[in-house]
Amino acid sequence: QMQLVQSGAEVRKPGSSVKVSCKASGGTFSNYAFSWVRQAPGQGLEWVGGVIPVFDSATYAQKFQGKVTITADESTNSVYMEVSSLRSEDTAVFYCAGATVAAPRGIDVWGQGTTVIVSS
Amino acid sequence: EIVMTQSPLSLPVTPGEPASISCRSSQGLLHSNGFHYLDWYLQKPGQSPKLLIYWGSNRASGVPDRFSGSGSGTDFTLKITRVEAEDVGVYYCMQTLQTPYTFGQGTKLEIK
Repeated sequence: QMQLVQSGAEVRKPGSSVKVSCKASGGTFSNYAFSWVRQAPGQGLEWVGGVIPVFDSATYAQKFQGKVTITADESTNSVYMEVSSLRSEDTAVFYCAGATVAAPRGIDVWGQGTTVIVSS
Repeated sequence: EIVMTQSPLSLPVTPGEPASISCRSSQGLLHSNGFHYLDWYLQKPGQSPKLLIYWGSNRASGVPDRFSGSGSGTDFTLKITRVEAEDVGVYYCMQTLQTPYTFGQGTKLEIK
């Protein structure tokens, strides 16, 4: 059963960037598509973007285009999300999540979440 | 992008009573493979979201049979036959037919 373990909480100053990692284990990495989901404090879930490692292609919600970069590294079974030009409004919990590429049956595996706090 | 609209946004329920949540999409969610790409998730307090229902009506592994999903086209429903205390949290519908994937606003279920 695939499991996702994310990197720990981060505190950054406005204007800086942050890179969050998500390591997959227990399943075949190339069989999955991975998404990043944002949850601002007290708010709902928002899809940021995703990557399919086997196709080496990432897609983003328009809101995050140019703000976020999602990559995958098949050699380490890891997915990364970098958020640049951080502002206080970027403070949120980010979840890494996975679904099988072929006939996806929902996003059935989730990481534990990584809190990113942007504060001066 | 496809807009997802849930109702109600708050749902107080007495234990043992049924509950129902509606989700409407701005476009049809039928994939060419015949399945509707509409999922339901539950996020319990302090936890990551968990998949309950995929393809509109299929329960994910380990999900109790008191949860069921139905619907087609643009209108979908999640039903709980008898609510238990452990069902509290926020329920989200989500479409994965096309990117950007989009979530409903969430429905907060609480116990009366």
